[in-house]
Amino acid sequence: EVQLLESGGGLVQPGGSLRLSCAASGFTFSSYAMSWVRQAPGKGLEWVSAISGSGGSTYYADSVKGRFTISRDNSKNTLYLQMNSLRAEDTAVYYCAKAVKHYYDSSGAGAFDIWGQGTMVTVSS
Amino acid sequence: SYVLTQPPSVSVAPGKTARITCGGNNIGSKSVHWYQQKPGQAPVLVVYDDSDRPSGIPERFSGSNSGNTATLTISRVEAGDEADYYCQVWDSSSVDVVFGGGTKLTVL
Repeated sequence: EVQLLESGGGLVQPGGSLRLSCAASGFTFSSYAMSWVRQAPGKGLEWVSAISGSGGSTYYADSVKGRFTISRDNSKNTLYLQMNSLRAEDTAVYYCAKAVKHYYDSSGAGAFDIWGQGTMVTVSS
Repeated sequence: SYVLTQPPSVSVAPGKTARITCGGNNIGSKSVHWYQQKPGQAPVLVVYDDSDRPSGIPERFSGSNSGNTATLTISRVEAGDEADYYCQVWDSSSVDVVFGGGTKLTVL
């Protein structure tokens, strides 16, 4: 069964750090680009970051650029999101999502065909 | 940055057809993907590349894309279709994945 399982969420103070993980199973992880997408309470979906299948290319939303780092370990079938300098507005459910292509080109990496169940991150003092 | 505009809400009676629009500058030149999200659940892909359906998605779900508007059409709407729907594209200019603001579909 194709599956993504996020972990690492929790309560953190403003200015703090957190690392999210997303364990993949049921597909050849290294063959697909991956993304993190978040959803603040009661709000819509917001793309956060993406990474190519090889890990050689990374992309970030302006709202997290310079604070968040996406990475992947293809030997462990795991995607990561290192979040530093966290702010209250980073409070959200964070989903990892699998793209249908290996890398991002001029047309993107296709749709997100598999999503994890999400992990909640709360930034509050 | 590229902006996708969706109506906040759409209401439809059971058995009728629901149409959810997604507006963007020359969106017809991009591939549009649509997701369904029910309360407390992760999004599910229902239409990709403007009009294709993933396996397991009913034929009642269809999509089109032309000019400045993409449309998700749900035929013979059922109570179980009640959910939030999001359109999504890739903006090559800003190198961003862009989501629309979402549309809440209410089945009357």
